[in-house]
Amino acid sequence: GENVEQHPSTLSVQEGDSAVIKCTYSDSASNYFPWYKQELGKGPQLIIDIRSNVGEKKDQRIAVTLNKTAKHFSLHITETQPEDSAVYFCAASRAGGGADGLTFGKGTHLIIQP
Amino acid sequence: GAVVSQHPSRVICKSGTSVKIECRSLDFQATTMFWYRQFPKKSLMLMATSNEGSKATYEQGVEKDKFLINHASLTLSTLTVTSAHPEDSSFYICSARRTGPGYTFGSGTRLTVV
Repeated sequence: GENVEQHPSTLSVQEGDSAVIKCTYSDSASNYFPWYKQELGKGPQLIIDIRSNVGEKKDQRIAVTLNKTAKHFSLHITETQPEDSAVYFCAASRAGGGADGLTFGKGTHLIIQP
Repeated sequence: GAVVSQHPSRVICKSGTSVKIECRSLDFQATTMFWYRQFPKKSLMLMATSNEGSKATYEQGVEKDKFLINHASLTLSTLTVTSAHPEDSSFYICSARRTGPGYTFGSGTRLTVV
């Protein structure tokens, strides 16, 4: 089955700086890669996603890049703000075909230092 | 759009009793729903895939007789934790497939077994 590795487990950056979180996946059939933000005691909230036919996607301060050959994808947050502090999860699935669920990375605790 | 409502948000039950968690898709039909389990400061682990009108598919290591899943309609899936024990205490989260590759998550249920 799919295996998703995520690094780092904790990331502390100064407010206004950029944050980068990286993930690798093992299943070459995976074709959908979402990123979720989870606050304490709440369900994950989708912040951005990318499909395997696209190399990069951007939404305001958030961007995701995908390298299918190397099987890795990254989340980039620019101009970080205190409200960006949360746990971020990457995930992968073969969502284009059957009813596959998501395989999650272990999460990154992002801390924005004021 | 694409809202998934999960109830209850928190439940405390005595050891040996059963607890039912509901997950409803409010504005779309979800032929497939997923149930995840999350331990404190850990990632989300897929427990089972729930298909409307058919038996659920459980991930390896998940006891189907302990975690009963019912998906009787296109908008409702339920997870019943039977004969709960303290080790079943966890955060349970449902997710529904949307049109295209997206997934929408519920807000989660914090189960504490005492």
